[in-house]
Amino acid sequence: EPEVTQTPSHQVTQMGQEVILRCVPISNHLYFYWYRQILGQKVEFLVSFYNNEISEKSEIFDDQFSVERPDGSNFTLKIRSTKLEDSAMYFCASGGNQPQHFGDGTRLSIL
Amino acid sequence: AQSVSQHNHHVILSEAASLELGCNYSYGGTVNLFWYVQYPGQHLQLLLKYFSGDPLVKGIKGFEAEFIKSKFSFNLRKPSVQWSDTAEYFCAVNAGDSSYKLIFGSGTRLLVRP
Repeated sequence: EPEVTQTPSHQVTQMGQEVILRCVPISNHLYFYWYRQILGQKVEFLVSFYNNEISEKSEIFDDQFSVERPDGSNFTLKIRSTKLEDSAMYFCASGGNQPQHFGDGTRLSIL
Repeated sequence: AQSVSQHNHHVILSEAASLELGCNYSYGGTVNLFWYVQYPGQHLQLLLKYFSGDPLVKGIKGFEAEFIKSKFSFNLRKPSVQWSDTAEYFCAVNAGDSSYKLIFGSGTRLLVRP
C-alpha cells in the first residue's frame, strides 16, 4: 500500500533558526496537509494545500510558517525562525479526497 | 467551531475484555467521522470511517463504531481486545468543508494486559 513518507524523523534546531520539514505524499492524491502534536496534547491542523495553493490554514499557521510543493513529489513545511514552542511532532498527510493517510512524523526539538 | 471530545484519556484492560471508547463532537451539520490508531512508534492509521448510510460501521482488526446523530457520538467498540491492541486511539471529524481538514480528539491511550 502506498505510504506518505517524511524526512527527517527527528530534527534538532537552535531557536531562531530556519527549519524545513519534508514530505512525499501519495502520488495520486490531490490534497496535502500538515498537522502537529505538542507532547501530551491533541493533534492540531496547521494547513491544507490543494491545486498548488493553501486552501485553509489555522491560527497556528502564522507568518513564520510556509508550505511549498516545489516539484511533483515533495511537499515541505518551513518554519522561518523557530521558537521553543514549535517543539512538536509534525505530521504530513495526503488524501485524494478523504480519508487521509499520514506519514510517520518528524519530531522537531528546538533548543 | 468544531470540536471533538474523548472522555477516556487512559484505559487499562485485560485481554479478552470488551472495549468501548467514547467520542463526542460538536457540529450541527453533516460530518464525516473517523477513528485512527497509533501503535507505539508508528504513524496514524485509519481504523474506520463513517460518511453516510448504516450508522454501524466496521473497520479493521475487529473494531466497529456506531454513529448516533442525536447524541453527536461516534463510539469505538471491540468485543474482545488483544495485547496487540495496545495503542493510542484518536477520534476525528471533518465537516465536509473544502479543505477536508480533520479535527482530532485528545486521544485515548489503551493498555491491554496479557
